[in-house]
Amino acid sequence: KQEVTQIPAALSVPEGENLVLNCSFTDSAIYNLQWFRQDPGKGLTSLLLIQSSQREQTSGRLNASLDKSSGRSTLYIAASQPGDSATYLCAARVSSGSARQLTFGSGTQLTVLP
Amino acid sequence: DAGVIQSPRHEVTEMGQEVTLRCKPISGHDYLFWYRQTMMRGLELLIYFNNNVPIDDSGMPEDRFSAKMPNASFSTLKIQPSEPRDSAVYFCASSLLNQPQHFGDGTRLSIL
Repeated sequence: KQEVTQIPAALSVPEGENLVLNCSFTDSAIYNLQWFRQDPGKGLTSLLLIQSSQREQTSGRLNASLDKSSGRSTLYIAASQPGDSATYLCAARVSSGSARQLTFGSGTQLTVLP
Repeated sequence: DAGVIQSPRHEVTEMGQEVTLRCKPISGHDYLFWYRQTMMRGLELLIYFNNNVPIDDSGMPEDRFSAKMPNASFSTLKIQPSEPRDSAVYFCASSLLNQPQHFGDGTRLSIL
């Protein structure tokens, strides 16, 4: 059974810092990996999706990487801003075909201090 | 474009009552997912549909939970009878094949 872990559970940084959030998964046979952002009282917003054949994806100040062999993904946030404060979750989809399940990590709560 | 719409946003009810949560997916999306989020267990998939047909309901905790999708624009998740341990935030999400899932804002359910 796929397990997804995110460390640390919480992170606080001053505005302007570059930072990396970590995600690890136990089953390397993933189909894709997705990073989400969740604001308090809200649903999840998809940030980046990396297919298993890709190494990284970029969107603005965000860059996500995927290393299937080591079972790891990272989300890099450049020049962090207070508006980046949220909980960030990664989720791995374990197979193609009929299965569409995402296994979620427990998230990293990010606080960017002004 | 309208996103995934869930109702109600908040529900407070007494133990033993029937609870019905509703979801309208994004038009054209053929996959619909129901999740539950708690502090203890994080985000868990309960059930998902493809073209209105339930594909995998292995995450549904017990027979008190049921989900239906009578048409492409509407789904319900029902709990009968409800128990305090069902208190959680329930999310609905929809997607196209191999595309990112789009989530609603959730229903915060409290069972007293």
